[in-house]
Amino acid sequence: EPEVTQTPSHQVTQMGQEVILRCVPISNHLYFYWYRQILGQKVEFLVSFYNNEISEKSEIFDDQFSVERPDGSNFTLKIRSTKLEDSAMYFCASRPPPRLAGGTGELFFGEGSRLTVL
Amino acid sequence: GNSVTQMEGPVTLSEEAFLTINCTYTATGYPSLFWYVQYPGEGLQLLLKATKADDKGSNKGFEATYRKETTSFHLEKGSVQVSDSAVYFCARSRGGADGLTFGKGTHLIIQP
Repeated sequence: EPEVTQTPSHQVTQMGQEVILRCVPISNHLYFYWYRQILGQKVEFLVSFYNNEISEKSEIFDDQFSVERPDGSNFTLKIRSTKLEDSAMYFCASRPPPRLAGGTGELFFGEGSRLTVL
Repeated sequence: GNSVTQMEGPVTLSEEAFLTINCTYTATGYPSLFWYVQYPGEGLQLLLKATKADDKGSNKGFEATYRKETTSFHLEKGSVQVSDSAVYFCARSRGGADGLTFGKGTHLIIQP
């Protein structure tokens, strides 16, 4: 069964460093998302991406964050100059075209990338 | 706006007990509703979903009914198992291509 894959599973970085989290969405999906879950807390929407551009972003997604789909398969989240409070699990998700999933809006999630900022 | 409220955890039950985890949503538009489950150390997996009023989603013995009149989507299971221990997230669609809004999650602990 197709699945969303994320790398790395865990990254430890120093405060102020840049981090790139990578995701390979399911191949026929067109909508891509990043979510964040700080340990023990809720799953928070960061950004949605469609047709090679951001369609919506939350207030969390400030100028230190960026997303890119560089090669038609990968979907990356870059965090410039990481802060301690960026430590979290980051989930990538994708969604098929509405006609293929009955328009339910179901998202398919990866296993997550745990980011630890020291 | 779009929001989801679910009961705070942790919820601790004995094996074979009846489970209810409450979830209510803001009634903006006609959202699809979901329950996702997160087992320890894993990602989010869809447990069940419902796309319109009075729909019942079911999977692995869990059920939830889309109640438009009470804007609720409570998760139930008649007899829980230790393997059901996980965090359960209620979610609603946000409209268009813009993904889901999640509740805060309910940590369920099932004791043998």
